Amino acid sequence: QVQLQQSGPGLVKPSQTLSVTCAISGDSVSSNSAAWNWIRQSPSRGLEWLGRTYYRSNWYTDYAVSVKSRITINPDTSKNQFSLQLNSVTPEDTAVYYCARDQSGYSFDSWGQGNLVTVSS
Amino acid sequence: QSVLTQPPSASGTPGQRVTISCSGSSSNIGSQTVNWFQQLPGTAPKLLIYASNQRPSGVPARFSGSKSGTSASLAISGLQSEDEADYYCAAWDARLNAWVFGGGTKLTVL
Repeated sequence: QVQLQQSGPGLVKPSQTLSVTCAISGDSVSSNSAAWNWIRQSPSRGLEWLGRTYYRSNWYTDYAVSVKSRITINPDTSKNQFSLQLNSVTPEDTAVYYCARDQSGYSFDSWGQGNLVTVSS
Repeated sequence: QSVLTQPPSASGTPGQRVTISCSGSSSNIGSQTVNWFQQLPGTAPKLLIYASNQRPSGVPARFSGSKSGTSASLAISGLQSEDEADYYCAAWDARLNAWVFGGGTKLTVL
């Protein structure tokens, strides 16, 4: 059974970088049939997909247009985890951030526990 | 505004059948499969329906999904108090090259 364990700070100052990590157990970040996603949820924006990384003989990433200039998603094969970095944050980036596995054909079948990240000085 | 459109609320009494709609466009629901999630307060969304009408193991048969054209529906039969939750639809959007979600429907069991 796949488990995703998130970690990261709960408070980030405006203009700084938000970083969250998702540790994977029961699967591999290098799986050829899964994609590893970041999704956030806030009262004002609802559920918003931010991006994903996946391995298909090479590493690929896709990002949402709304954050494309500020986001980086990186896999870490040595620790079997992946991370989210969001630069130049504003209070509008305050949200619960989730990592999730998209198993081919099954959509988001496993989710992390969620991290509330507040952007405030 | 969400790319997929859901009614903000729905309700029913125990034992009833309720349906929740999800409307999209040709670039998402019209050409891709739809997925449904249930979210209880304070928890992560849980996959309820994938590939428009498939249930993961462990999801009761009371939950069913369907799709027609650019719309999809989630049906819950034999409504139970534990079904009170927020429900979200999601689909891949081939034009945006991104996953898109509905705004969510809050289901109240009266």
